[in-house]
Amino acid sequence: QKEVEQDPGPLSVPEGAIVSLNCTYSNSAFQYFMWYRQYSRKGPELLMYTYSSGNKEDGRFTAQVDKSSKYISLFIRDSQPSDSATYLCAMSAGGSYIPTFGRGTSLIVHP
Amino acid sequence: GAVVSQHPSWVICKSGTSVKIECRSLDFQATTMFWYRQFPKQSLMLMATSNEGSKATYEQGVEKDKFLINHASLTLSTLTVTSAHPEDSSFYICSAGGQGRSQPQHFGDGTRLSIL
Repeated sequence: QKEVEQDPGPLSVPEGAIVSLNCTYSNSAFQYFMWYRQYSRKGPELLMYTYSSGNKEDGRFTAQVDKSSKYISLFIRDSQPSDSATYLCAMSAGGSYIPTFGRGTSLIVHP
Repeated sequence: GAVVSQHPSWVICKSGTSVKIECRSLDFQATTMFWYRQFPKQSLMLMATSNEGSKATYEQGVEKDKFLINHASLTLSTLTVTSAHPEDSSFYICSAGGQGRSQPQHFGDGTRLSIL
């Protein structure tokens, strides 16, 4: 079992839909949780960064962390074609610089 | 947010050539930078951790003599792919951490390396 599991998709939704992206993990030491967006042939761009459990909202994006279930989510409201990209979850333990990445979910938002 | 600049963005060269990729942190000092490799539709694979003023730490299976890393200043790390061959063709991405261990990494835009 991998430390971080993420469905690669692709996930195809119509414009305006609410998108739910998820990751599960097995390492209970993870405390910091990140979501990155990666466009084709570009580096990952940090979208959301949360510590421990709870919700964090930034514009159309909401990150949720449920440490008891070892499950994190990223919700995108009013999705746009420009949101089409690969979304990578990442997480790290408190003492480490180096996160463990999921393999990414490819999202396609069609007009 | 933090800005990490990576150059060049795309390199095409002949087999046997050595290629240098630069990674700069533009608005913060990075004592530690990271080099990743990414294959199509795959996640990031950490190759090495670059430490300012000391030797890099390589992940298991990564050839130190093939992938030379230099981190001579707090804002610049370089990756040199020596005597590159077609199997070295890949997308290479650097990142830099923020201040303190709890800060997330910020990534450069990557270098697409194609060896003919």
